[in-house]
Amino acid sequence: QVQLQESGPGLVKPSETLSLTCTVSGASINNYYWSWIRQPPGKGLEWIGYMYYSGKIFYNPSLKSRIVISMDTSKNQFSLKLSSVTAADTAVYYCARWRELLFDFWGQGALVTVSS
Amino acid sequence: EIVLTQSPGTLSLSPGERATLSCRASQSISSNYLAWYQQKPGQAPRLLIYGASTRATGISDRFSGSGSGTDFTLTIGRLEPEDFAVYYCQQYGGSPPINFGPGTKVDIK
Repeated sequence: QVQLQESGPGLVKPSETLSLTCTVSGASINNYYWSWIRQPPGKGLEWIGYMYYSGKIFYNPSLKSRIVISMDTSKNQFSLKLSSVTAADTAVYYCARWRELLFDFWGQGALVTVSS
Repeated sequence: EIVLTQSPGTLSLSPGERATLSCRASQSISSNYLAWYQQKPGQAPRLLIYGASTRATGISDRFSGSGSGTDFTLTIGRLEPEDFAVYYCQQYGGSPPINFGPGTKVDIK
């Protein structure tokens, strides 16, 4: 069974960089695409971006200038960095596996609050 | 950009009733590129349907998907207590390549 687990600070100050890591078990990240999705409190889902182990990356154009997604294949992890955060970036951040047009496995989500 | 619209925003029904949820795209999309997810409070979304009509592994046959072009439907045959949740459609293609509809909440009448 594929499992994903997000980890990282739950509180980030405005203008700083949000950093999250997703640890994958039950599957190698050397296959498939791996993605980040976020959900502001009480709102809908927003796709952030996804990455393939070969280095192929797609970012949501609305966030592209502030995002970096990277992988550490030795640890079977992938990461998200979102810079210059504001209160609008407060959300539950999910990592998920992107497979052939769908997200089939998701992490439980990590709430990140942007506040001073 | 392909925009997904879901209706109604909230659907109030009783257990045992049939639920019909709509997802409309601003331009035609391939049926292969349309998926549905269920999300319960405090949980991650769960894949229900992909390719517009194929149930994901382990999903009850109470759930069915249909549609093509710009109009897609998720039907829940007879609502069970565990089916009360928010449902999102998701499409692939265009720019951004992945986006979600705003969701339909199915709550208990």
